[in-house]
Amino acid sequence: AQSVTQLGSHVSVSEGALVLLRCNYSSSVPPYLFWYVQYPNQGLQLLLKYTSAATLVKGINGFEAEFKKSETSFHLTKPSAHMSDAAEYFCAVSGTQGGSEKLVFGKGTKLTVNP
Amino acid sequence: GAVVSQHPSWVICKSGTSVKIECRSLDFQATTMFWYRQFPKQSLMLMATSNEGSKATYEQGVEKDKFLINHASLTLSTLTVTSAHPEDSSFYICSARDPRGMKKLFFGSGTQLSVL
Repeated sequence: AQSVTQLGSHVSVSEGALVLLRCNYSSSVPPYLFWYVQYPNQGLQLLLKYTSAATLVKGINGFEAEFKKSETSFHLTKPSAHMSDAAEYFCAVSGTQGGSEKLVFGKGTKLTVNP
Repeated sequence: GAVVSQHPSWVICKSGTSVKIECRSLDFQATTMFWYRQFPKQSLMLMATSNEGSKATYEQGVEKDKFLINHASLTLSTLTVTSAHPEDSSFYICSARDPRGMKKLFFGSGTQLSVL
């Protein structure tokens, strides 16, 4: 069985500040991990994914995430927040690289960026 | 890039009526589409896998007679909530897998269903 826990349903940062969104996972098989972003009135978009190649994964829009097996974590970071980063972010885990039908999502974290 | 269109974006209906939600892949053919449901402050939960030309595969606990899925073409899957009740009020979102290249999943923008 797989599960994802996102710590903090809401995160608020100032523009230019570090963004840190936390995700911890549980998986009985080697996991594939994903971060998705959902902007208002839009579908989910893939930010980045971990597929056992490199533990530090770089995604779009300056985001990156580090897979830490010892901590069962896959936290999402961005050095400097931009107003356009305001959105809801979902962490997800899958047992397959394609990230297909058995995606298990976290509850999401809403990021607010203050000017 | 590839786009998945979901319609309507929101719908309000009376208890006991049926509501149909459409999910279209606009620039690729999707043999497989997925339907999720999200209650407020909860995770997206996979409801079913929609397979073109065959029956959908439902997740445990999802009533197949209540949530009818039809995937009659390679670009369209529909979810019909039959005899809707207030407890069916939720956010429904579909996704489609692009069979080309990296086989990425693309998501629709979701449908907010409110049953009065």
